[in-house]
Amino acid sequence: RKEVEQDPGPFNVPEGATVAFNCTYSNSASQSFFWYRQDCRKEPKLLMSVYSSGNEDGRFTAQLNRASQYISLLIRDSKLSDSATYLCVVFFNNNDMRFGAGTRLTVKP
Amino acid sequence: EAGVVQSPRYKIIEKKQPVAFWCNPISGHNTLYWYRQNLGQGPELLIRYENEEAVDDSQLPKDRFSAERLKGVDSTLKIQPAELGDSAVYLCASDPGQGGEIYNEQFFGPGTRLTVL
Repeated sequence: RKEVEQDPGPFNVPEGATVAFNCTYSNSASQSFFWYRQDCRKEPKLLMSVYSSGNEDGRFTAQLNRASQYISLLIRDSKLSDSATYLCVVFFNNNDMRFGAGTRLTVKP
Repeated sequence: EAGVVQSPRYKIIEKKQPVAFWCNPISGHNTLYWYRQNLGQGPELLIRYENEEAVDDSQLPKDRFSAERLKGVDSTLKIQPAELGDSAVYLCASDPGQGGEIYNEQFFGPGTRLTVL
C-alpha cells in the first residue's frame, strides 16, 4: 500500500459545481497535512494547510479525519481557473514527507 | 523577491551521458530539496539539505546520482551516466528551515525537464 494515495481522476465538472477530493495516508504517526496545487507544466504551490479542526479559505475547505486516516479538499462554486492537479502532502514526525500522485481537476464552461 | 531559480529549464541528452542541474534557492532559506517528478506522479524526494549538510539522501540512487551544496546556498544535482528511466522533471525547492518538527511551506522552482534518448 502506498503511503499517500489519491484518486488520480480526472474529475471533469461544470463551472459552479462542488467537487471533493480525498487523500488517504497509511502512517498513523503522520503529523501535518497540506494541499498543493500544480498547474500543467508548472511547479507545485501551497494551497492550504489542513488543521485538525478543519479550515476554510474562501471556496476551499480542508478537513482531516485521523480515525480513518484521510484528508479531504472541498471546492465550492468551481471556477475555470481551478483546473489543475491537487497534490496532498503528508508530513511525518521525523521530518519525512510524502506527496500523493495528485488528483486532476478540469472545470468546464 | 526572487523565487527559486533553476537551470537549465530543458535538457535532452543521450543515454550514458552525464547531466547536471543547478538550483539557487530563495535568499535566506536554509533548507533545500531536490525532487524528481514523473509524468502523472507527485514529486519524490531525492535529497534534503539543511545548510550544506545532506540530512536525508535515503532516496537518492547513489550509484549514478550525486548532489552538493558546498556553501549552503546554491546546489547542483548530477546524474552520471543517465539512463532512459531518468527522464523526468527535476524540481528544486527551499524553505526557511527553522528546524524541529515544524513543517515550513516549500517554494518550488520551475524545474528542469530532462529527456534521455
